Amino acid sequence: DIQMTQSPSSLSASVGDRVTITCRASQSISSYLNWYQQKPGKAPKLLIYAASSLQSGVPSRFSGSESGTEFTLTISSLQPEDFATYYCQQSYSPPPTFGPGTKLEIK
Amino acid sequence: QVQLVQSGAEVKKPGASLKVSCKASGYSFTSYYLHWVRQAPGQGLEWMGIINPSGGSTSYAQKFQGRVTVTRDTSTSTVYMELSSLRSEDTAVYYCARTPEDITVAGTDFDYWGQGTLVTVSS
Repeated sequence: DIQMTQSPSSLSASVGDRVTITCRASQSISSYLNWYQQKPGKAPKLLIYAASSLQSGVPSRFSGSESGTEFTLTISSLQPEDFATYYCQQSYSPPPTFGPGTKLEIK
Repeated sequence: QVQLVQSGAEVKKPGASLKVSCKASGYSFTSYYLHWVRQAPGQGLEWMGIINPSGGSTSYAQKFQGRVTVTRDTSTSTVYMELSSLRSEDTAVYYCARTPEDITVAGTDFDYWGQGTLVTVSS
């Protein structure tokens, strides 16, 4: 199975900050990388698919990029509703696997 | 609107079996694949298996082979996940989620999720 790692595991930031979360795959996954946001007690929500495509209805302050096997989720200006846990997921090869998550907390 | 509505929380004893349901609405049931993903308390997301509601074919994560069964009822647009021989480590929130393609097709993503079903396994 393809292993996914994320860094940092947690992050403290303030409203208005620019934040970057990184995800790495244990092997090449092309651009088959998705990002999800999960708030406490809620199901994950798809934010970004295919590394950089914004899911319908997701604010444009969210963006994704890639460089080889390293993928980045950027939030350009943090809003109060963005404090949550973020997961990456590879969809290149079955089974689908997720990163361990990055918890974004209010500073 | 697309909805995946799951059955309610359950408490089970070790060794028992569990059956969770996921009722789909707002889209063509047989046009999307449905998956089960679980999340242990404070932990990450773990894919368990998939069903093609159209033909009923299934595929499971190796970890759960022999212990999990996913079925569907097209007359009610409902998918079921049965997990047997429960142990304390199976305590988790179980989610159903849909994808437009099978997992053998690269690039598919989980675009809608159920609300989750908390399963507690305790003696």
